[in-house]
Amino acid sequence: AQTVTQSQPEMSVQEAETVTLSCTYDTSESDYYLFWYKQPPSRQMILVIRQEAYKQQNATENRFSVNFQKAAKSFSLKISDSQLGDAAMYFCAYRTRVKSGGSNYKLTFGKGTLLTVNP
Amino acid sequence: NAGVTQTPKFQVLKTGQSMTLQCAQDMNHEYMSWYRQDPGMGLRLIHYSVGAGITDQGEVPNGYNVSRSTTEDFPLRLLSAAPSQTSVYFCASSNRRDSYGYTFGSGTRLTVV
Repeated sequence: AQTVTQSQPEMSVQEAETVTLSCTYDTSESDYYLFWYKQPPSRQMILVIRQEAYKQQNATENRFSVNFQKAAKSFSLKISDSQLGDAAMYFCAYRTRVKSGGSNYKLTFGKGTLLTVNP
Repeated sequence: NAGVTQTPKFQVLKTGQSMTLQCAQDMNHEYMSWYRQDPGMGLRLIHYSVGAGITDQGEVPNGYNVSRSTTEDFPLRLLSAAPSQTSVYFCASSNRRDSYGYTFGSGTRLTVV
C-alpha cells in the first residue's frame, strides 16, 4: 500500500525561530506530486507548498521551503521565522492513483503534525 | 469569492436518518471529490467525479452515494446514518483529473448519535 508517514505527532517552536516537519512516503511511481497542507483551528485546508517529483530544485514559498530527497522518499517542510499564525495541524500528502494502473488520482495524507508556536 | 462552498458547516443526525451534504464550486473544475477526516487518520477519499455524469468510488465508499448532474455541484448522500460516520467531511476540486492543484471547502462536521 502506498503510504505517507509523519513521524512527529506534535512539534513546538519559539516565535521567530525555524522548525522542520518530517514526512516520508512510499511509492513505486516515477512521476508524482507532493504537498504540504496547513489546517488551522478554522478547519480550512490550505495548500502551503507543492513539489513535482521530476524537479530537482526544492520548492520555496516565502518562509516555507521543502527538502525533497527523492531517493530517500523524504519530503520535509521547513518554516523559517515562525509566526503565531503558523500554529496549525500540518499534513503531508502525496498524489496517488485511485486504483492501480488507473488514470484517476487522489491525495493520500499522513496523519498530521500539530505545530505549536510559543511567543 | 471563488472557491468551494460546503453546506452545512455542522450537523447532528440520529442513527438511521438520511441527509445530503452539499458541495458547489464556481471555478469550472472538472474534478471533484469527497474526503472524510477522522482523528489520527488524516483524510481518506470517499467518492470522486471526473466530470458531469461520471463518478467512482474511493477508499471508504460504503454508506455514501454521490451524483454529478452539473459541473458545479457534487452532493454527498448518507443513506442511513451510523455513528461510524461521525467525522469531518471535506469536498475538494481541481481543474484536471490529474492536476496537482486541489482546492478544499471549509468542511462539514457531522455527528451521528
